[in-house]
Amino acid sequence: GAVVSQHPSRVICKSGTSVKIECRSLDFQATTMFWYRQFPKQSLMLMATSNEGSKATYEQGVEKDKFLINHASLTLSTLTVTSAHPEDSSFYICSASPPHSYEQYFGPGTRLTVT
Amino acid sequence: GQSLEQPSEVTAVEGAIVQINCTYQTSGFYGLSWYQQHDGGAPTFLSYNALDGLEETGRFSSFLSRSDSYGYLLLQELQMKDSASYFCAVGKSTFGDGTTLTVKP
Repeated sequence: GAVVSQHPSRVICKSGTSVKIECRSLDFQATTMFWYRQFPKQSLMLMATSNEGSKATYEQGVEKDKFLINHASLTLSTLTVTSAHPEDSSFYICSASPPHSYEQYFGPGTRLTVT
Repeated sequence: GQSLEQPSEVTAVEGAIVQINCTYQTSGFYGLSWYQQHDGGAPTFLSYNALDGLEETGRFSSFLSRSDSYGYLLLQELQMKDSASYFCAVGKSTFGDGTTLTVKP
């Protein structure tokens, strides 16, 4: 199957700092990637849809100025959590689908801890 | 709005068969997907049903009835490694709350 990588896998940062998370599709091009967050023992919540070459589409209730998304190439999307606070601590996961495929491939996730 | 309902927990023994049900209410529907997620890991794609009927992939099968807004994931010959959370999903944005499957020896 297709492979999606994510970096870093874990990050600890201080409150008020920014953190960038990278998501790459390794063996296919993805015009669209998706960013989720997941709290312990809960479901995945879609935060935004990352569109190559254009602005991301954010879900209701997600602050676009706080969660900056850039999709500069067909294989890379980045999520920057700006001015992080402890409540932003969560598991962030990206996903992508190969062209013309209904299968969705997830990155391994990034566990963010804000102290 | 969109919502999916699935049981929160299921327990079964090794070698048994277990069925995880999912009912959905969505404004638009293009198919039902199933994902497996082990503790601490990311979800992995298991199956997708766009049409009514049964899709079989090895020990796992998935069923869909569009008229009943209902689907299920069937796991056969359960193994200890099948202990995980299983999510049904519609599209990219709507996931069920997940079913925690515990397989006991």
